[in-house]
Amino acid sequence: AQTVTQSQPEMSVQEAETVTLSCTYDTSESDYYLFWYKQPPSRQMILVIRQEAYKQQNATENRFSVNFQKAAKSFSLKISDSQLGDAAMYFCAYPYYGGATNKLIFGTGTLLAVQP
Amino acid sequence: GAGVSQTPSNKVTEKGKYVELRCDPISGHTALYWYRQSLGQGPEFLIYFQGTGAADDSGLPNDRFFAVRPEGSVSTLKIQRTERGDSAVYLCASSLAPDGRLEAFFGQGTRLTVV
Repeated sequence: AQTVTQSQPEMSVQEAETVTLSCTYDTSESDYYLFWYKQPPSRQMILVIRQEAYKQQNATENRFSVNFQKAAKSFSLKISDSQLGDAAMYFCAYPYYGGATNKLIFGTGTLLAVQP
Repeated sequence: GAGVSQTPSNKVTEKGKYVELRCDPISGHTALYWYRQSLGQGPEFLIYFQGTGAADDSGLPNDRFFAVRPEGSVSTLKIQRTERGDSAVYLCASSLAPDGRLEAFFGQGTRLTVV
């Protein structure tokens, strides 16, 4: 079964600094996607970045980038030049789809605090 | 609509009562999902609709939980005989098609408190 693990319940970063959030996962599939979602206090989950497993190049979206290590089943999120608005819960997610099902499997999240 | 809309935003109910939570997906999105998020946890899958039919309801915890999507748009999650353990944020999401590679757009959730 697919699982997603986030081992950092909380992280803190100074404004303008860089922080890395960790995620490991388990799957028997060879072709899949991985997502990072952000959940601010408003509760609305927002997609930050996605990675396709068959692509060797790490995905980048402005200040957000990932370090995808397929063999190690590791998928970390790096936030550069951290801003106060980055403070939120961050969830790593594995989309499981095929047959009759289509769902996201989430980790337990990392609460990121940004210090001014 | 511009985004996924969930009503009510907050709901407090007494143990044993019946509640309905509503989700308005983005217009044209055929896939709709319900998740439950307990305090300090990640969202957990409840049910997935493709069109009007529930394609996968394996995440519903027991038969007190039921969801419908009669016209393939708005969905209602129904909880009978609520228990204190049902207290959580219930999130709804929709996507353009039933393809896990596509972005799922989430609503702001309904926080259900059972007292």
